[in-house]
Amino acid sequence: DGGITQSPKYLFRKEGQNVTLSCEQNLNHDAMYWYRQDPGQGLRLIYYSQIVNDFQKGDIAEGYSVSREKKESFPLTVTSAQKNPTAFYLCASLASGELFFGEGSRLTVL
Amino acid sequence: AQTVTQSQPEMSVQEAETVTLSCTYDTSESDYYLFWYKQPPSRQMILVIRQEAYKQQNATENRFSVNFQKAAKSFSLKISDSQLGDAAMYFCAYRDPPAAGNKLTFGGGTRVLVKP
Repeated sequence: DGGITQSPKYLFRKEGQNVTLSCEQNLNHDAMYWYRQDPGQGLRLIYYSQIVNDFQKGDIAEGYSVSREKKESFPLTVTSAQKNPTAFYLCASLASGELFFGEGSRLTVL
Repeated sequence: AQTVTQSQPEMSVQEAETVTLSCTYDTSESDYYLFWYKQPPSRQMILVIRQEAYKQQNATENRFSVNFQKAAKSFSLKISDSQLGDAAMYFCAYRDPPAAGNKLTFGGGTRVLVKP
């Protein structure tokens, strides 16, 4: 089935460690996005990419990094520079005016 | 920068009644896209309805309809004949046109409670 797969679904890490969240899509979509969601709040844009080997910072890019070496993959690294990384992270891809979301990754930093 | 504002943190509606959620946005673009997404407790994002800015006709999807006022930069969602399954967080979203980068920005959300 076509769709977006995020992994892992739940992740626990110690403070100061870098962590990479995976996002893979088999929908052949060009544009991909990463969002952060804190409890009871909306989605805030971290990074987005319109094509392979190109990406732009969103509204809260500090402490995060991404790569887009393949069309299907858009991994997000949460670095130790991110002050408060505990959150729910959503990946999405865009085509024909519609955004398709993954099921999200819940990161907890201990 | 584009901003999206949802001024109602929470709305309550009686089953079978109608509720309207407000959304305003700020942009200098003339051709853009607007969306309403539903997020139930499972946290899965579900597209409810979308509107292209160049279309004057308001979009409708079954019990969901929008009131798009381009000059006022307003995009409200009306849920008619509310059902228990409509209870969720609802997010308004704005997307830049492709030539401006396809950046997609969400509002802070409105929680909808449906009373039986």
